[in-house]
Amino acid sequence: SAVISQKPSRDICQRGTSLTIQCQVDSQVTMMFWYRQQPGQSLTLIATANQGSEATYESGFVIDKFPISRPNLTFSTLTVSNMSPEDSSIYLCSVAYGTGGSYEQYFGPGTRLTVT
Amino acid sequence: ILNVEQSPQSLHVQEGDSTNFTCSFPSSNFYALHWYRWETAKSPEALFVMTLNGDEKKKGRISATLNTKEGYSYLYIKGSQPEDSATYLCASQNTNAGKSTFGDGTTLTVKP
Repeated sequence: SAVISQKPSRDICQRGTSLTIQCQVDSQVTMMFWYRQQPGQSLTLIATANQGSEATYESGFVIDKFPISRPNLTFSTLTVSNMSPEDSSIYLCSVAYGTGGSYEQYFGPGTRLTVT
Repeated sequence: ILNVEQSPQSLHVQEGDSTNFTCSFPSSNFYALHWYRWETAKSPEALFVMTLNGDEKKKGRISATLNTKEGYSYLYIKGSQPEDSATYLCASQNTNAGKSTFGDGTTLTVKP
């Protein structure tokens, strides 16, 4: 299992500003992901955070809007840039451990972002 | 694109009732099905991961079944308790790349 912490736990931000969310894991892990859950919607994968290289973004998400850093195997940051009210969501960091293709996935407590 | 659907969207039951919800997923290129429980203000918690057709998993009063041929999984809760109140998410993994597509969840409220 993994213990994942996120900072901040919540924030209220002004339109046009940026917020960086930190994710810390208590053990080294290869697979790390960033998700968001917009109000009334399912968890949506933003990107896979790759250690030592650029993140892999899902369709509809771009690096300019959601830059991600992954300097080592226990830490990552997600920045939400030039925020608008549509970015109001819960953002979750997640890691996965597994063998043979199937895995167990663990989530951080989330960052609740409100953009005004 | 995977479409994972869960029903019902929400459910209200009395303490002691047994209940179940459904997760439907595309059966092609299926790799694994995950169930999570997400309580308010907490992290989603992994309940089960299932890979084989006919798999059944159990943890206490909660159990799950998997039908990969027809693309559905059921989650059962026997004798619901107020502490079972949460949103139950399923996620379908269709490759070994470590990514899953989530359903919208079923929100269960158990009234004492």
